[in-house]
Amino acid sequence: SQQGEEDPQALSIQEGENATMNCSYKTSINNLQWYRQNSGRGLVHLILIRSNEREKHSGRLRVTLDTSKKSSSLLITASRAADTASYFCATVTAGSGNTGKLIFGQGTTLQVKP
Amino acid sequence: DTAVSQTPKYLVTQMGNDKSIKCEQNLGHDTMYWYKQDSKKFLKIMFSYNNKELIINETVPNRFSPKSPDKAHLNLHINSLELGDSAVYFCASSPTGTEQFFGPGTRLTVL
Repeated sequence: SQQGEEDPQALSIQEGENATMNCSYKTSINNLQWYRQNSGRGLVHLILIRSNEREKHSGRLRVTLDTSKKSSSLLITASRAADTASYFCATVTAGSGNTGKLIFGQGTTLQVKP
Repeated sequence: DTAVSQTPKYLVTQMGNDKSIKCEQNLGHDTMYWYKQDSKKFLKIMFSYNNKELIINETVPNRFSPKSPDKAHLNLHINSLELGDSAVYFCASSPTGTEQFFGPGTRLTVL
């Protein structure tokens, strides 16, 4: 069954603004990952945060994880038109071993207007 | 230089036919996956192999059969195609079961 939900489902902002996407999940996790999917393309891994971490940065990306609320957020700062894509969170359930089985959220479609 | 490749990119076929999608990775990863993405962009794991051994087999119709001839290849064979099989199928690989590297996808259309 679907692990969780992302919010909002769609987001439209101007270039230079920040974009925040939220993800909620249902079970205990080993880690949570964020992926980007450009239209008609495969997914690209952005960042991985482990269950014992609370915040992680990578360039203009900032990810937070609140395991007590079973939620995560992805912040993209100073957005660019090239950031236009769908963004997915995915979780690896605790106890799933090394299978790496990812359970995806519904995704947030981000549009950055030039 | 392509890390994870899939063929074909597009596949249009009639109901009832049998088709295969091939996936190859040149990253040296031990684990490979197949996902299905529906028209609402929802992604769901189907299968996973680790070094040619099946480790994930989700609840999918047995018309779908993965085959891994070696750890660099994971093919997906689909028998008796149905309209509901229309989707984009993604192959992915992973070195340690953490971050995954996705192929470009195969858009399957069943008429």
